[in-house]
Amino acid sequence: KNQVEQSPQSLIILEGKNCTLQCNYTVSPFSNLRWYKQDTGRGPVSLTIMTFSENTKSNGRYTATLDADTKQSSLHITASQLSDSASYICVVRNTGTASKLTFGTGTRLQVTL
Amino acid sequence: GAGVSQSPSNKVTEKGKDVELRCDPISGHTALYWYRQSLGQGLEFLIYFQGNSAPDKSGLPSDRFSAERTGGSVSTLTIQRTQQEDSAVYLCASSLGPSDNYYEQYFGPGTRLTVT
Repeated sequence: KNQVEQSPQSLIILEGKNCTLQCNYTVSPFSNLRWYKQDTGRGPVSLTIMTFSENTKSNGRYTATLDADTKQSSLHITASQLSDSASYICVVRNTGTASKLTFGTGTRLQVTL
Repeated sequence: GAGVSQSPSNKVTEKGKDVELRCDPISGHTALYWYRQSLGQGLEFLIYFQGNSAPDKSGLPSDRFSAERTGGSVSTLTIQRTQQEDSAVYLCASSLGPSDNYYEQYFGPGTRLTVT
């Protein structure tokens, strides 16, 4: 069964600190992996997309990594800001299906003063 | 430009009633998706439209759920005889092209459905 597991489930950090969120997946065959940010009461917004051949991709203070051999990805947030408080969702696409994505349950990040 | 919009933003209904949820995708986006997000759960795929046809409706949980898309644009998700377990946030997304490419899905804000 295709699954995406994220850890930690929730995280509280001080403003200015860095943090790393983890995503492990069993989706196969793998097509690509996206990290989404979902603010409370809003729809998810894509941060990065990574394909099989990509190891690292950055988007501002967000850096995603992918190890397709171990089926693991991470999202590193540098110098966190209060506006980073949100849920971060890892989503994996399967090459075998045209329309289905497998979503993780997300990591709820809270950045405090 | 305008993003994906959904209406209503909140809907409270009594068990057994029918509800209709609306999604207006980004203009020009041919692909449209409906998802359900329950508390503490990941997004659950419901149905995918390419144009007006639905090549994948395998995520609809029961025959009480149906969806249609007209004119390659607006879509409505209908839930008949609502049950309490239908309470969730229903998210709509659209993308520029077919879902088997790398086109990003743009999500609407969702409709929070509460069945009492």
